[in-house]
Amino acid sequence: DAGITQSPRHKVTETGTPVTLRCHQTENHRYMYWYRQDPGHGLRLIHYSYGVKDTDKGEVSDGYSVSRSKTEDFLLTLESATSSQTSVYFCAILDRYEQYFGPGTRLTVT
Amino acid sequence: KNEVEQSPQNLTAQEGEFITINCSYSVGISALHWLQQHPGGGIVSLFMLSSGKKKHGRLIATINIQEKHSSLHITASHPRDSAVYICAAPRGAGSYQLTFGKGTKLSVIP
Repeated sequence: DAGITQSPRHKVTETGTPVTLRCHQTENHRYMYWYRQDPGHGLRLIHYSYGVKDTDKGEVSDGYSVSRSKTEDFLLTLESATSSQTSVYFCAILDRYEQYFGPGTRLTVT
Repeated sequence: KNEVEQSPQNLTAQEGEFITINCSYSVGISALHWLQQHPGGGIVSLFMLSSGKKKHGRLIATINIQEKHSSLHITASHPRDSAVYICAAPRGAGSYQLTFGKGTKLSVIP
């Protein structure tokens, strides 16, 4: 168990509202990732972090921002949610070259 | 970017059957990952392998680096093996980012 939690686990929000998802880890792993998972697509990388205040874009970063002000927390923000951002969001950490995933957050944008 | 292809997309088997899921990738890598996702569940890392074969219980993963191909085998399949199986490869040599296949949905019928 890599000690990864995500909050909230479920959220329904309206188009145009800001949303922040939180990923928390307890083992001081340097690399953290945010993915989205949609039917017909594999997991797709949104953003990742390689240290406090060090982040970079993934393949589907438009409409998302991230922050990492301390090692244990990696936040994903949708500044103005759209229906196309309805998805299941997973965060992950890197431990000895393997990625371990959080339980996921199901986000619905109406 | 590494392109990861899995086959088949869907697979239905009778309990006890031997199952094979295939994964091919386009860019030479150091290691390939196999993951499992149960319905409505989280994502679990099964294997990370860089050569040859690894075995864990009834699951066996093989990789041929020269042919850029990996297989996941399940012996004596059981209904509890029903899940989506995902392979993933690094985006490139030395990358800590993964590119994921779209997954193979396995249903094992009693």
